[in-house]
Amino acid sequence: QSALTQPASVSGSPGQSITISCTGTYSDVGKYNLVSWYQQYPGKAPRLIFYGVGNRPSGVSNRFSGSKSGNTASLTISGLQPEDEADYFCCSFTHSSTYVFGTGTKVTVL
Amino acid sequence: QVQLVESGGTLAEPGGSLTLSCAASGFTFHIYHMAWVRQAPGEGLEWLSYISGDENDKIYADSVRGRFTIARDNARKSLFLQLSSLRAEDTAVYYCMRGGVEGGWDYWGQGTLVTVSS
Repeated sequence: QSALTQPASVSGSPGQSITISCTGTYSDVGKYNLVSWYQQYPGKAPRLIFYGVGNRPSGVSNRFSGSKSGNTASLTISGLQPEDEADYFCCSFTHSSTYVFGTGTKVTVL
Repeated sequence: QVQLVESGGTLAEPGGSLTLSCAASGFTFHIYHMAWVRQAPGEGLEWLSYISGDENDKIYADSVRGRFTIARDNARKSLFLQLSSLRAEDTAVYYCMRGGVEGGWDYWGQGTLVTVSS
């Protein structure tokens, strides 16, 4: 199972909106509404920030939102803030009943 | 509150074996599926294995099937991952995760470092 494809880096200025893409295949992202997104700071464990169809865990800012179109899922961060600077990973259930993570995206706040 | 605490990470020799543990607290352990992922230094996340709450379902990534074994002890609220035939490329931080709904892994441990080197 190949990793889902994410851009290596995305940057934006404070207050801007950015979108991170996560491209898979019909066997994973395209077939299931079981994509989740994680934020990870250096040296820390990842944290779930969005999952399924429109779900945000308690305590996660509503500036994070997710969507999916075909084989590509996306995470949008609105009103970018300095604390959003981190690595972001997507994850999808697959037809093999396994899960696969994305390659990861480093978000830089300019 | 929900807590997952991994242990067992160490320096191991190529070809060797070791077992990682994940102690769970703050939730009804036996009703949740659990999983392991790893992250090699400076790299991304790699999903490894899943086990259902009743232990009946165990799924493995192709990269570790046959070498790694997942298990759980619901009475002790513990999750395990046995690693064997270790290779240098198994060097990574290993995390345990709790399975939530709609594909989200909602709680993670802090990770335990496995280094494979002679």
